[in-house]
Order: sequence, then structure tokens, then C-alpha cells
Amino acid sequence: EVQLVQSGAEVKKPGESLKISCKGSGYRFSNYWIGWVRQMPGKGLEYMGIIYPDDSDTIYSPSFQGQVTISVDKSISTAYLQWSSLKASDTAMYYCARLNGVGASDAFDVWGQGTLVAVSS
Amino acid sequence: DIQMTQSPSSLSASVGDRVTITCRASQSISSYLNWYQQKPGKAPKFLIYAASSLQSGVPSRFSGSGSGTDFTLTISSLQPEDFATYYCQHSYTTRTFGQGTKVEIK
Repeated sequence: EVQLVQSGAEVKKPGESLKISCKGSGYRFSNYWIGWVRQMPGKGLEYMGIIYPDDSDTIYSPSFQGQVTISVDKSISTAYLQWSSLKASDTAMYYCARLNGVGASDAFDVWGQGTLVAVSS
Repeated sequence: DIQMTQSPSSLSASVGDRVTITCRASQSISSYLNWYQQKPGKAPKFLIYAASSLQSGVPSRFSGSGSGTDFTLTISSLQPEDFATYYCQHSYTTRTFGQGTKVEIK
């Protein structure tokens, strides 16, 4: 079974750093882009960026460039999303998802269960 | 950046109703349009790709159409399990989502 399993919920203070993870299984992890999607409380889905595990090629949404870092360790089939200095506005659910080629395009066909990040003083 | 606008933002419908959700792109995206369903407290689920192709396992009451800038998601006969929020997403350049359409029980 193809799965993405994310790390558990986090409660942090403003200014702290954080790295959350997304581990893939049941498929060749290195050969599929992994994306990250933010969902703030009561709001919609926001695309953050994608990374290709085989060569770590990373593409950020302009809205998130410089705000977060996406990385990967293909040896353990795990992608990461990290912050160097959290803000209260980073409070959200974060999803990872596999980007799969479908037809002539692509889509996020498999999703992780989400990681809730709460930032409060 | 290409913006995606869905309408309506929410709608109320009854079981058995035909429901149509619209998604408009700020510029042509050919058929690079996907649809997702999200239920409360759950991760999104992939429904439709390339504007009109059903992902494997998705019930045939779901259908998509459109190209260029205007797209629709139609549920032919709404079922209890279809009450959820639906998002369009383009894959033409980046992967921007629409703001979502919440389908509620009337």
C-alpha cells in the first residue's frame, strides 16, 4: 500500500525552530515529487512547494519562498518541512502529498494524514 | 501567478440533488485542472485530473468538464458521503488551489 506518514503534532513558542517529517512507503520514493500544503484553521489549501527526492531539486511557491525550507533524505524515504523561527501565523495543519504524473499533467494523488503545528507564547 | 476562483463558496443541497461547482482560472491553463474532496478533520482526497478524468475508485456520479479558463465539477446525484469541501487546483505552472466550495446539507 502506498502511504505517506507524517510526524506528530507540535506545540511551539514564537521564535523556535521546527522540522516536521513525511515518510513514504509502498512505492519508489526517489522517483516522485513530494509536495507540502498548508491549511490554516478554518481556511483552504495553500500550495507551498515540491521536492524531487532523487536529486533534491526544490521548487517553492513564491508565497513561501524564504519562509520555510523543504528538504529530503532519500536514504530513509523521508521529506521534511522546516522553520528557523516560527511565528504565530505559522499555526496550521501541514500536509505532505505525492505528486504523480496523470495524463499529460500531474496531481497530488496520495496524502499524508497531516501534522498540526501550533505556535503560541 | 495564476489565480483560481471557485463559486459558490458554499451551497446547501439535498441528497439526490445535482450539484455543480465552478472554477475559473485567471488565465488559460488548457486542461491542467484537478479536483479534490476534503471532509472535516481529514486529508484531501484526489478525485479528478486533467479536467475530466476520474481517478481510479471515484464514483461515476462525479464528473468534470472545461478547458482554458472555465471548469466545472458536477455531482449528478448527491449522496450523504459527498457532503464535504471541494477544491480545484491547476498544474499548469505552480500548483495553486482554489479557495474551496463547501457542500452542506439542506
